[in-house]
Amino acid sequence: DAGVTQSPTHLIKTRGQQVTLRCSPISGHKSVSWYQQVLGQGPQFIFQYYEKEERGRGNFPDRFSARQFPNYSSELNVNALLLGDSALYLCASSLVLAGGWTQYFGPGTRLLVL
Amino acid sequence: KQEVTQIPAALSVPEGENLVLNCSFTDSAIYNLQWFRQDPGKGLTSLLLIQSSQREQTSGRLNASLDKSSGRSTLYIAASQPGDSATYLCAGGTQGGSEKLVFGKGTKLTVNP
Repeated sequence: DAGVTQSPTHLIKTRGQQVTLRCSPISGHKSVSWYQQVLGQGPQFIFQYYEKEERGRGNFPDRFSARQFPNYSSELNVNALLLGDSALYLCASSLVLAGGWTQYFGPGTRLLVL
Repeated sequence: KQEVTQIPAALSVPEGENLVLNCSFTDSAIYNLQWFRQDPGKGLTSLLLIQSSQREQTSGRLNASLDKSSGRSTLYIAASQPGDSATYLCAGGTQGGSEKLVFGKGTKLTVNP
């Protein structure tokens, strides 16, 4: 089975532009989460979606938005890009097991804002 | 607010050595604890998951423990190999309506041949 897939793998934008990142979860997973990882730091939680509904939101400005589609894939949108938005953006899909959940991560999209 | 700390930030060991990576968290009401491996420029690979009701998990040469009362988890790697060189991240899962992981900054491990 294919793992979590993300596109594009790399992206270069300039300040003020908008970007859309895409994620396809593992087949059968209905939950998708997004994380931002700045160089040298651990990933930080941005959003979680389950069954197309937002379940959680991290401490990120309103420039960040996301949505989940009927096939459970997801998009992360970032408007008015800042230099500080340069990071690796990770998508994870979740499997609920007996007694808990576990997240499986994709390879990430590396965004560079110039 | 959950905060996760990993010590040391970097570790260099000779091949074959057994080693321990440490992770501490501030909120004992942790839902689960996951250890991940990250190779340079890559995504995260899940190594071990410990549910809040469990004390430890093992996979091959890896063993992870969880002590909620002291707010600590350790990842033990036996007989380290150069291929184990990577950054190791621990993450605490929060309770509540969302599946949110709070990550530490990671420990960068180098195993020298």
